[in-house]
Amino acid sequence: EVVLTQSPGTLSLSPGERATLSCRASQSISSSYLSWYQQKPGQAPRLLIFGASTRATGIPDRFSGSGSETDFTLTISRLEPEDFAVYYCQQYGSSPTLTFGGGTKVEIK
Amino acid sequence: QITLEESGPTLVKPTQTLTLTCTFSGFSLTTGGVAVGWIRQPPGKALEWLALIYWDGDKRYRPSLKSRLTITKDTSKKQILLTMTNMDPVDTATYYCARTRIFDYRGSFDIWGQGTMVTVSS
Repeated sequence: EVVLTQSPGTLSLSPGERATLSCRASQSISSSYLSWYQQKPGQAPRLLIFGASTRATGIPDRFSGSGSETDFTLTISRLEPEDFAVYYCQQYGSSPTLTFGGGTKVEIK
Repeated sequence: QITLEESGPTLVKPTQTLTLTCTFSGFSLTTGGVAVGWIRQPPGKALEWLALIYWDGDKRYRPSLKSRLTITKDTSKKQILLTMTNMDPVDTATYYCARTRIFDYRGSFDIWGQGTMVTVSS
C-alpha cells in the first residue's frame, strides 16, 4: 500500500520567497499519476499540477512540479499573498488506487 | 460549465447509514476515461479518498472502509450516490465529490464540488 508523506508539515515564509514542498512515496510510483492541490480555508481543493509536472488550466507558471519514483517536489518560485494555503499531493493507480498525502501548510512568516 | 454538487443530511446518529448524492452537469459519466470520486476531510485534517466509480461501472474503494461503502451511479439523473453504513463520530467530516479524467488528467481531480459537512452525533 502506497503512503505519501509530505514535508515539512508547516512552512513559514514571506511573500516573494521560494517555497519547496516535498512528497515522498513509500514505494515507487509512476510520475504520470502524481498530482498536487492547493486548498484554502473553507474551500474545496484546486488542482495545480498533474502528471508530476504539468500545470492544470489557469495555474500560474510560478508553480512547478518535478520528481520521479519516490520523491516529488512542488516549487512556488515567488510566493504571492494568495499562495498561503495548504498543499496536498495525491497518487493514482498504485494500491490502494488513490492516496493523498498529509498536507503542507504554507504560512506567512 | 462543469459542476458537481453534494447533498445529503448534515447530521446523522451513530450506527445510522449515511447516503450522499453528487449531482453533476456539463459532462457525461459514459465518456471513456471519466470517473467520479468521493473524498472526505475531517475538521482540521487531511483529505481522505473514499471511493471511485468509472465510466464503465467499475468501482474502487478505500480498503479500510470497503465493507462500509457503496458507490453507485444513475447516469440518466447524472447522480453518484455514496452510502456509508454504521456511522461513527470519527466519520464527522466534509464530504466532497470530484471528477477525474483518467486519460487526460492521470487520475487527478480537476473539478470538485463545494463539499457537504456531515456531523455524526447522538
